[in-house]
Amino acid sequence: LAKTTQPISMDSYEGQEVNITCSHNNIATNDYITWYQQFPSQGPRFIIQGYKTKVTNEVASLFIPADRKSSTLSLPRVSLSDTAVYYCLVGDGYQTGANNLFFGTGTRLTVIP
Amino acid sequence: GAGVSQSPRYKVAKRGQDVALRCDPISGHVSLFWYQQALGQGPEFLTYFQNEAQLDKSGLPSDRFFAERPEGSVSTLKIQRTQQEDSAVYLCASSLGTSVNNEQFFGPGTRLTVL
Repeated sequence: LAKTTQPISMDSYEGQEVNITCSHNNIATNDYITWYQQFPSQGPRFIIQGYKTKVTNEVASLFIPADRKSSTLSLPRVSLSDTAVYYCLVGDGYQTGANNLFFGTGTRLTVIP
Repeated sequence: GAGVSQSPRYKVAKRGQDVALRCDPISGHVSLFWYQQALGQGPEFLTYFQNEAQLDKSGLPSDRFFAERPEGSVSTLKIQRTQQEDSAVYLCASSLGTSVNNEQFFGPGTRLTVL
């Protein structure tokens, strides 16, 4: 089970780009990297997923170096509504019926006006 | 369309009482997960269903915890003889496929407080 390490908290001003880095030194060959976002009193929400290099969608980008031992979630021009906890997870895309998603404590991002 | 719903949203129980928490997943979703989230912590896996089959219950903390999904849709998490350490938010998630990496859609959770 590949576990992850993230900063506990980060602060950013509105309009800035935020980069949250996650370490996953024991990532396995078949593991994907997935990021979820959680607002207070809500369940987590899927943001983005990748395996290698770079993935971009309408809300974020995910950068994964060649060794895949870390990944960086990039949020462009954050707003106050991006204040949330962000979780980095790694898991085997080929296993079924397995619980190998470890959320950890996540990174609490606070966007300041 | 409707997302994952959970009921009740809040539950207060006296120590020793039994509680039942309900999860209505997104229609057609094969996989269903239960998580426990303590204050300030990330969700921790409890159990996993693929249709009606409970394929993994390794995260259930004790034999007081029991989950079922008899018809492969609605699921119930039951906690018997509740203890104060059971106080947490219980999250349910469903996903369309069977890979753990399929996007999981979470419900709002049930906040359980055991007095």
